[in-house]
Amino acid sequence: TQLLEQSPQFLSIQEGENLTVYCNSSSVFSSLQWYRQEPGEGPVLLVTVVTGGEVKKLKRLTFQFGDARKDSSLHITAAQPGDTGLYLCAGPTSGTYKYIFGTGTRLKVLA
Amino acid sequence: AAGVIQSPRHLIKEKRETATLKCYPIPRHDTVYWYQQGPGQDPQFLISFYEKMQSDKGSIPDRFSAQQFSDYHSELNMSSLELGDSALYFCASSSFVPGLASWGNNEQFFGPGTRLTVL
Repeated sequence: TQLLEQSPQFLSIQEGENLTVYCNSSSVFSSLQWYRQEPGEGPVLLVTVVTGGEVKKLKRLTFQFGDARKDSSLHITAAQPGDTGLYLCAGPTSGTYKYIFGTGTRLKVLA
Repeated sequence: AAGVIQSPRHLIKEKRETATLKCYPIPRHDTVYWYQQGPGQDPQFLISFYEKMQSDKGSIPDRFSAQQFSDYHSELNMSSLELGDSALYFCASSSFVPGLASWGNNEQFFGPGTRLTVL
């Protein structure tokens, strides 16, 4: 069974601080997606990483895919209250059309 | 840009009743996924369809069934509802061709969800 473990589970920081969220698996994923979800709404796709070692930037967010494609990280620089939400990594399991989500990181940025 | 449409957005049912949730994927997307998300939990995969055929099955109860129609919209039918079925139900769509060597870019785009409350 392929699992995606995220850490930390909860994070409460002050505005302006930096943070990193990790998404780890013992299995190889062909790609990983990062989503942000706000309460009562659907997850919104932020980025897809496909190539081992790939780094993608989305304004103050930097996403990295591990060389072995078993892990990924999301780094937020100078966090803002608008970054508050549930961050989920997710990816397609090998050989099926099943899509699994990570355990989630709930981020709260305090003004 | 067109997004995934789900209806209804909110649904209240009594125990043992039935419910039908609808999902309209992004135009030209051929794959639909259904997820259930309980309070404080991450989305749990229920079932997926590719080109109107079931492509994979997750933790979907036998009381639930789903199908994808010729226009690619999908419906999730839930019978004999239980209190524990109360949750957010999300539909996602993607444009994906199985069997390709590369599985990259299997990006899923989610709808706003249907909040089902079973009383």
